[in-house]
Amino acid sequence: QQQVKQSPQSLIVQKGGISIINCAYENTAFDYFPWYQQFPGKGPALLIAIRPDVSEKKEGRFTISFNKSAKQFSLHIMDSQPGDSATYFCAASMKGAQKLVFGQGTRLTINP
Amino acid sequence: NAGVTQTPKFQVLKTGQSMTLQCAQDMNHNSMYWYRQDPGMGLRLIYYSASEGTTDKGEVPNGYNVSRLNKREFSLRLESAAPSQTSVYFCASSGLGQGVNEQFFGPGTRLTVL
Repeated sequence: QQQVKQSPQSLIVQKGGISIINCAYENTAFDYFPWYQQFPGKGPALLIAIRPDVSEKKEGRFTISFNKSAKQFSLHIMDSQPGDSATYFCAASMKGAQKLVFGQGTRLTINP
Repeated sequence: NAGVTQTPKFQVLKTGQSMTLQCAQDMNHNSMYWYRQDPGMGLRLIYYSASEGTTDKGEVPNGYNVSRLNKREFSLRLESAAPSQTSVYFCASSGLGQGVNEQFFGPGTRLTVL
C-alpha cells in the first residue's frame, strides 16, 4: 500500500528554470513531511522538511509548499543548477512515530 | 565521526546462499532502519529497531532477519537469497531530537542475486 504518491517519476529542466515535484498522501495523521536528496552512488540525505501548521517553508533555493486540505505537498527548486541533478524523495511520518513512508522518487536532470 | 557505515559495498550471491549485511552508526542514535531501493519503488522499509533490544517488521520483511547487536550495530541477514532480493540496501539511523525524525543514511550495499 503506497501511502505517499510522488510525481513525476523523471523530470528534465533547463539550467535556471524552476523544478517542481509533487507528492500526495492519504493518511491525515501524518504530521511531518521531509524531502530527501540522493546523488548517484550515495545514500539519501535530508534536504528540507515541513510540518502542517505552515503552508510554506523556504531554505535558499528550495521551497516546500503544503496544502493540508488537498493532502498534497510539493518541492520547488528555483534557479535550478546542474548540481541539483539527483533523485528526490518525499516522505511522511506520524507524530511521535519513528518510521518514514517514502514516495517513489523523482530523477531530476538539470541541463546546462 | 563516520556517521553510518555499511559493509560490504557490493556483493554477488547465487540463489540459496546466505549473507549478512552489516551496519554501524557512531551518532548515539536509538533508532536504526534497513531499507531496500528498487527502480520506481522508492525506499521500502524492511525492518527497524526503535531502540536497543527491539526490532519490528516494516513494509517488506519476508526473506530477511535482523539483529540489533548493540546500540551501534544493526545487521540484516538473508538466509536463502533469491533473485527478487537483488537491490540496493540502505541502513539508516535517527535520534529523536525536538520531535524531528531526521534519518541519516549509509552509502548502501549493492546486492545482486544470480
